[in-house]
Amino acid sequence: NAGVTQTPKFRVLKTGQSMTLLCAQDMNHEYMYWYRQDPGMGLRLIHYSVGEGTTAKGEVPDGYNVSRLKKQNFLLGLESAAPSQTSVYFCASRLGWDEQFFGPGTRLTVL
Amino acid sequence: SQQGEEDPQALSIQEGENATMNCSYKTSINNLQWYRQNSGRGLVHLILIRSNEREKHSGRLRVTLDTSKKSSSLLITASRAADTASYFCATDAWGDSNYQLIWGAGTKLIIKP
Repeated sequence: NAGVTQTPKFRVLKTGQSMTLLCAQDMNHEYMYWYRQDPGMGLRLIHYSVGEGTTAKGEVPDGYNVSRLKKQNFLLGLESAAPSQTSVYFCASRLGWDEQFFGPGTRLTVL
Repeated sequence: SQQGEEDPQALSIQEGENATMNCSYKTSINNLQWYRQNSGRGLVHLILIRSNEREKHSGRLRVTLDTSKKSSSLLITASRAADTASYFCATDAWGDSNYQLIWGAGTKLIIKP
């Protein structure tokens, strides 16, 4: 049981490049979330999904897109990376009214 | 939006002392949770307290919830160097069918040996 995994762990992009972050969970959770965490700050919700094939915007969705084609996977895309998107990205999942399980994070730097 | 607020923002104590951090929130809730984040790592769930509970214990952790004041506290007793981390509270807003957690900005706890 791997829990929540994220790939890649680290990435450096140049301004304008695109990339996709992959989140996978093996706990059969319906709800999945993408957060970003800037240095010394708390979590801010980018997008979330309440089930396969559904996505919704969170607090800071601009510049990001997501897809949930399979229940176990939640992809976060950056179409044209900007330095303001330099951050640590966390994926999380939960079953319902209980704890969220977090992945180890992806550290992204945009030059 | 981040409606939870932790207090203090940072706390530095000697090993063996007790650490108390507080969380205030704005909306009615289903439950409140506390998480720990070691530097550069993902968040780990510590404890969940439901809106109809007033106190909960887990090992050296004690959480209280006062829904009339919309506040919670996390007490770590007999602190250890390994407790050095950031601690976040998160709430489930009442009636939110999307199961989103509303996060505070965290308390950074440093345990001095």
